[in-house]
Amino acid sequence: LAKTTQPISMDSYEGQEVNITCSHNNIATNDYITWYQQFPSQGPRFIIQGYKTKVTNEVASLFIPADRKSSTLSLPRVSLSDTAVYYCLVGGTGRRALTFGSGTRLQVQP
Amino acid sequence: DARVTQTPRHKVTEMGQEVTMRCQPILGHNTVFWYRQTMMQGLELLAYFRNRAPLDDSGMPKDRFSAEMPDATLATLKIQPSEPRDSAVYFCASGFGSEEGVLQPQHFGDGTRLSIL
Repeated sequence: LAKTTQPISMDSYEGQEVNITCSHNNIATNDYITWYQQFPSQGPRFIIQGYKTKVTNEVASLFIPADRKSSTLSLPRVSLSDTAVYYCLVGGTGRRALTFGSGTRLQVQP
Repeated sequence: DARVTQTPRHKVTEMGQEVTMRCQPILGHNTVFWYRQTMMQGLELLAYFRNRAPLDDSGMPKDRFSAEMPDATLATLKIQPSEPRDSAVYFCASGFGSEEGVLQPQHFGDGTRLSIL
Protein backbone atom coordinates (compact mmCIF):
# COMPACT_ATOMS: atom_id res chain seq x y z
CA LEU A 1 0.00 0.00 0.00
CA ALA A 2 1.18 3.51 -0.78
CA LYS A 3 2.70 5.17 2.29
CA THR A 4 1.89 8.80 2.97
CA THR A 5 3.92 11.44 4.80
CA GLN A 6 2.36 14.58 6.22
CA PRO A 7 3.52 17.26 8.69
CA ILE A 8 2.56 16.30 12.22
CA SER A 9 1.09 19.71 13.03
CA MET A 10 0.43 23.17 11.61
CA ASP A 11 -0.69 26.47 13.09
CA SER A 12 -2.66 29.21 11.38
CA TYR A 13 -4.85 32.22 12.09
CA GLU A 14 -8.44 32.85 11.21
CA GLY A 15 -8.94 34.12 7.67
CA GLN A 16 -5.69 32.71 6.32
CA GLU A 17 -5.34 30.12 3.60
CA VAL A 18 -3.86 26.83 4.80
CA ASN A 19 -2.03 24.39 2.56
CA ILE A 20 -1.24 20.91 3.82
CA THR A 21 1.06 18.83 1.65
CA CYS A 22 1.18 15.06 1.61
CA SER A 23 3.93 12.97 0.03
CA HIS A 24 3.10 9.61 -1.55
CA ASN A 25 6.11 8.62 -3.62
CA ASN A 26 4.98 5.07 -4.41
CA ILE A 27 1.44 5.86 -5.46
CA ALA A 28 0.06 3.27 -7.88
CA THR A 29 -1.46 4.05 -11.26
CA ASN A 30 -4.99 3.32 -10.13
CA ASP A 31 -4.76 5.00 -6.73
CA TYR A 32 -6.91 7.97 -5.86
CA ILE A 33 -5.98 10.61 -3.27
CA THR A 34 -8.52 11.32 -0.57
CA TRP A 35 -8.50 13.75 2.35
CA TYR A 36 -10.47 13.43 5.55
CA GLN A 37 -11.05 15.71 8.52
CA GLN A 38 -11.54 14.48 12.08
CA PHE A 39 -12.80 16.38 15.10
CA PRO A 40 -12.40 15.01 18.64
CA SER A 41 -14.94 12.32 19.55
CA GLN A 42 -16.14 12.03 15.96
CA GLY A 43 -15.40 9.77 13.02
CA PRO A 44 -13.39 11.09 10.08
CA ARG A 45 -15.34 13.08 7.52
CA PHE A 46 -14.66 13.09 3.78
CA ILE A 47 -13.37 16.42 2.45
CA ILE A 48 -12.22 15.89 -1.13
CA GLN A 49 -10.91 13.27 -3.53
CA GLY A 50 -8.91 13.51 -6.74
CA TYR A 51 -6.81 11.61 -9.24
CA LYS A 52 -4.81 14.31 -11.00
CA THR A 53 -4.55 18.09 -11.60
CA LYS A 54 -6.97 20.12 -9.52
CA VAL A 55 -10.25 19.41 -7.80
CA THR A 56 -12.35 22.01 -6.04
CA ASN A 57 -15.51 21.79 -3.98
CA GLU A 58 -17.31 24.09 -1.59
CA VAL A 59 -14.95 23.21 1.24
CA ALA A 60 -11.45 22.86 -0.20
CA SER A 61 -9.21 22.47 -3.22
CA LEU A 62 -6.87 19.62 -3.97
CA PHE A 63 -3.80 20.16 -6.11
CA ILE A 64 -2.03 17.14 -7.61
CA PRO A 65 1.10 17.60 -9.76
CA ALA A 66 1.66 15.62 -12.92
CA ASP A 67 3.85 12.99 -11.27
CA ARG A 68 1.21 12.46 -8.53
CA LYS A 69 3.91 11.86 -5.92
CA SER A 70 2.43 14.51 -3.67
CA SER A 71 -0.78 16.40 -3.17
CA THR A 72 -1.78 19.62 -1.42
CA LEU A 73 -5.02 20.24 0.40
CA SER A 74 -5.89 23.93 0.37
CA LEU A 75 -8.37 25.37 2.87
CA PRO A 76 -9.33 28.96 2.00
CA ARG A 77 -9.90 31.45 4.82
CA VAL A 78 -9.87 29.05 7.75
CA SER A 79 -11.93 29.62 10.85
CA LEU A 80 -11.63 28.34 14.41
CA SER A 81 -13.97 25.47 13.51
CA ASP A 82 -11.40 24.13 11.04
CA THR A 83 -9.18 23.09 13.96
CA ALA A 84 -8.98 19.34 13.46
CA VAL A 85 -6.76 16.50 12.29
CA TYR A 86 -6.47 16.13 8.52
CA TYR A 87 -5.62 12.80 6.93
CA CYS A 88 -4.28 12.13 3.46
CA LEU A 89 -5.06 8.68 2.08
CA VAL A 90 -3.97 6.97 -1.11
CA GLY A 91 -5.61 3.94 -2.66
CA GLY A 92 -9.22 2.90 -2.68
CA THR A 93 -9.50 0.87 -5.86
CA GLY A 94 -10.49 -2.74 -6.12
CA ARG A 95 -9.54 -4.66 -3.01
CA ARG A 96 -7.11 -2.05 -1.72
CA ALA A 97 -8.91 -0.25 1.05
CA LEU A 98 -7.93 3.21 2.20
CA THR A 99 -5.34 3.19 4.96
CA PHE A 100 -4.88 6.16 7.24
CA GLY A 101 -1.54 7.72 8.09
CA SER A 102 -0.80 9.73 11.19
CA GLY A 103 -2.48 12.91 9.99
CA THR A 104 -1.77 16.63 10.40
CA ARG A 105 -3.12 18.42 13.44
CA LEU A 106 -4.21 21.91 12.36
CA GLN A 107 -4.66 24.52 15.07
CA VAL A 108 -6.40 27.73 14.04
CA GLN A 109 -5.90 30.69 16.35
CA PRO A 110 -8.11 33.80 16.61
CA ASP B 1 -28.84 13.18 5.80
CA ALA B 2 -27.84 9.49 5.71
CA ARG B 3 -25.56 8.35 8.51
CA VAL B 4 -23.67 5.30 9.67
CA THR B 5 -25.05 4.29 13.05
CA GLN B 6 -22.94 2.55 15.67
CA THR B 7 -24.05 1.04 18.96
CA PRO B 8 -23.24 1.24 21.76
CA ARG B 9 -21.50 4.63 21.84
CA HIS B 10 -19.70 3.71 25.03
CA LYS B 11 -18.89 0.35 26.61
CA VAL B 12 -17.05 -0.37 29.84
CA THR B 13 -16.51 -3.98 30.83
CA GLU B 14 -14.11 -6.24 32.62
CA MET B 15 -11.31 -8.21 31.09
CA GLY B 16 -12.43 -11.58 29.78
CA GLN B 17 -15.96 -10.49 28.89
CA GLU B 18 -17.37 -10.73 25.39
CA VAL B 19 -17.93 -7.42 23.62
CA THR B 20 -20.18 -6.96 20.59
CA MET B 21 -20.21 -3.73 18.61
CA ARG B 22 -22.85 -3.11 15.95
CA CYS B 23 -22.97 -0.97 12.86
CA GLN B 24 -25.79 -0.04 10.52
CA PRO B 25 -24.28 1.09 7.21
CA ILE B 26 -25.88 3.66 4.98
CA LEU B 27 -28.65 2.12 2.88
CA GLY B 28 -27.35 1.20 -0.56
CA HIS B 29 -23.69 1.08 0.42
CA ASN B 30 -22.11 -2.27 -0.37
CA THR B 31 -18.80 -1.92 1.48
CA VAL B 32 -18.31 -1.85 5.24
CA PHE B 33 -15.09 -1.14 7.14
CA TRP B 34 -14.02 -1.53 10.74
CA TYR B 35 -11.27 0.72 12.09
CA ARG B 36 -9.72 1.03 15.54
CA GLN B 37 -8.24 4.28 16.85
CA THR B 38 -5.82 4.71 19.72
CA MET B 39 -3.45 7.50 20.64
CA MET B 40 -0.44 5.30 20.02
CA GLN B 41 -1.44 3.59 16.77
CA GLY B 42 -3.80 6.09 15.21
CA LEU B 43 -6.48 4.75 12.86
CA GLU B 44 -5.93 1.08 12.01
CA LEU B 45 -7.98 -0.82 9.45
CA LEU B 46 -9.18 -4.06 11.01
CA ALA B 47 -11.37 -5.55 8.30
CA TYR B 48 -13.65 -4.73 5.42
CA PHE B 49 -16.48 -6.35 3.54
CA ARG B 50 -17.91 -5.95 0.09
CA ASN B 51 -21.41 -7.24 -0.61
CA ARG B 52 -21.29 -8.86 2.84
CA ALA B 53 -18.23 -10.98 1.97
CA PRO B 54 -14.99 -10.37 3.89
CA LEU B 55 -12.33 -8.99 1.55
CA ASP B 56 -9.56 -8.33 4.02
CA ASP B 57 -9.34 -8.98 7.74
CA SER B 58 -5.56 -9.09 7.99
CA GLY B 59 -5.54 -6.18 10.45
CA MET B 60 -7.60 -8.07 12.99
CA PRO B 61 -6.24 -10.32 15.75
CA LYS B 62 -7.83 -13.59 14.67
CA ASP B 63 -7.69 -15.37 17.99
CA ARG B 64 -10.10 -13.02 19.73
CA PHE B 65 -11.72 -10.77 17.12
CA SER B 66 -14.40 -11.68 14.63
CA ALA B 67 -16.34 -9.57 12.14
CA GLU B 68 -19.52 -10.55 10.34
CA MET B 69 -22.34 -9.13 8.26
CA PRO B 70 -25.48 -11.14 9.05
CA ASP B 71 -27.36 -9.03 6.52
CA ALA B 72 -26.87 -5.90 4.45
CA THR B 73 -28.11 -3.63 7.23
CA LEU B 74 -25.95 -4.94 10.07
CA ALA B 75 -22.24 -5.45 10.65
CA THR B 76 -20.86 -6.75 13.91
CA LEU B 77 -17.43 -6.78 15.50
CA LYS B 78 -16.92 -9.14 18.43
CA ILE B 79 -14.09 -9.49 20.89
CA GLN B 80 -13.93 -12.63 23.01
CA PRO B 81 -12.26 -12.65 25.43
CA SER B 82 -11.58 -8.94 25.77
CA GLU B 83 -8.29 -7.60 27.14
CA PRO B 84 -7.26 -4.16 28.45
CA ARG B 85 -5.15 -3.57 25.34
CA ASP B 86 -8.36 -3.68 23.28
CA SER B 87 -9.42 -0.36 24.82
CA ALA B 88 -9.88 2.05 21.91
CA VAL B 89 -12.47 3.79 19.80
CA TYR B 90 -13.86 1.48 17.14
CA PHE B 91 -15.22 3.09 13.99
CA CYS B 92 -17.42 1.60 11.33
CA ALA B 93 -17.55 3.16 7.87
CA SER B 94 -19.53 2.36 4.76
CA GLY B 95 -19.12 3.17 1.10
CA PHE B 96 -19.86 1.95 -2.40
CA GLY B 97 -17.36 0.38 -4.73
CA SER B 98 -16.67 -2.34 -7.22
CA GLU B 99 -13.65 -4.44 -8.14
CA GLU B 100 -12.97 -2.22 -11.12
CA GLY B 101 -13.86 1.25 -9.93
CA VAL B 102 -12.72 3.51 -7.16
CA LEU B 103 -14.14 2.97 -3.72
CA GLN B 104 -16.30 5.98 -3.06
CA PRO B 105 -15.44 8.02 0.02
CA GLN B 106 -16.24 6.30 3.19
CA HIS B 107 -18.84 7.64 5.58
CA PHE B 108 -17.95 7.07 9.20
CA GLY B 109 -20.04 6.52 12.28
CA ASP B 110 -19.18 8.31 15.51
CA GLY B 111 -17.57 5.21 16.99
CA THR B 112 -17.84 2.96 20.01
CA ARG B 113 -15.56 4.00 22.85
CA LEU B 114 -14.49 0.75 24.50
CA SER B 115 -12.80 0.49 27.89
CA ILE B 116 -11.66 -2.87 29.19
CA LEU B 117 -10.82 -2.84 32.89
